[in-house]
Amino acid sequence: GENVEQHPSTLSVQEGDSAVIKCTYSDSASNYFPWYKQELGKGPQLIIDIRSNVGEKKDQRIAVTLNKTAKHFSLHITETQPEDSAVYFCAASRGDGNKLVFGAGTILRVKS
Amino acid sequence: ETGVTQSPTHLIKTRGQQVTLRCSSQSGHNTVSWYQQALGQGPQFIFQYYREEENGRGNFPPRFSGLQFPNYSSELNVNALELDDSALYLCASSLGQTTGELFFGEGSRLTVL
Repeated sequence: GENVEQHPSTLSVQEGDSAVIKCTYSDSASNYFPWYKQELGKGPQLIIDIRSNVGEKKDQRIAVTLNKTAKHFSLHITETQPEDSAVYFCAASRGDGNKLVFGAGTILRVKS
Repeated sequence: ETGVTQSPTHLIKTRGQQVTLRCSSQSGHNTVSWYQQALGQGPQFIFQYYREEENGRGNFPPRFSGLQFPNYSSELNVNALELDDSALYLCASSLGQTTGELFFGEGSRLTVL
């Protein structure tokens, strides 16, 4: 089955710096790659997603890139703010229903 | 438009007991998925319900079972609780069974002693 690895497990940046989180997946049939943000005591919330027919997608300060050949995708957050501090999860799906396989998560701390 | 609501928010059980967790899907959503999130880990897919039938299951034993009702709300039942069942149980609703945005509730925190 699908396996998703996520790095780093923790990431500390200064406010205003950029943050990059990387994930690799094993199943070449996966075609949907969402990123979720989870704040303390809350459920995960979708922040951006990308499908396999697209290489890059941006939404204001957030961007995601996908390299299908290498089977990895990355989340880029620019101009980080303290409210970006949270746990970020990548996930992959081969489109069979809504079964998502999640990475282990990255704790992002933005220091002001 | 109401979001996904789960109950109870916290509960404590002892080994061998049974538990039922409840989920109300977001308005208009007909598909519910359940995930287990152990401390410090990513969520793991348990199963999905679409039109009141199980539609996909992860690597969980049969003592994990569920239901979906005509109003699309759902229950997760776990029998013969084990210590390793301690986790945050997340319900997510979506429109349709194909891959798309999942809307998660805040979860039910289960502690098994």
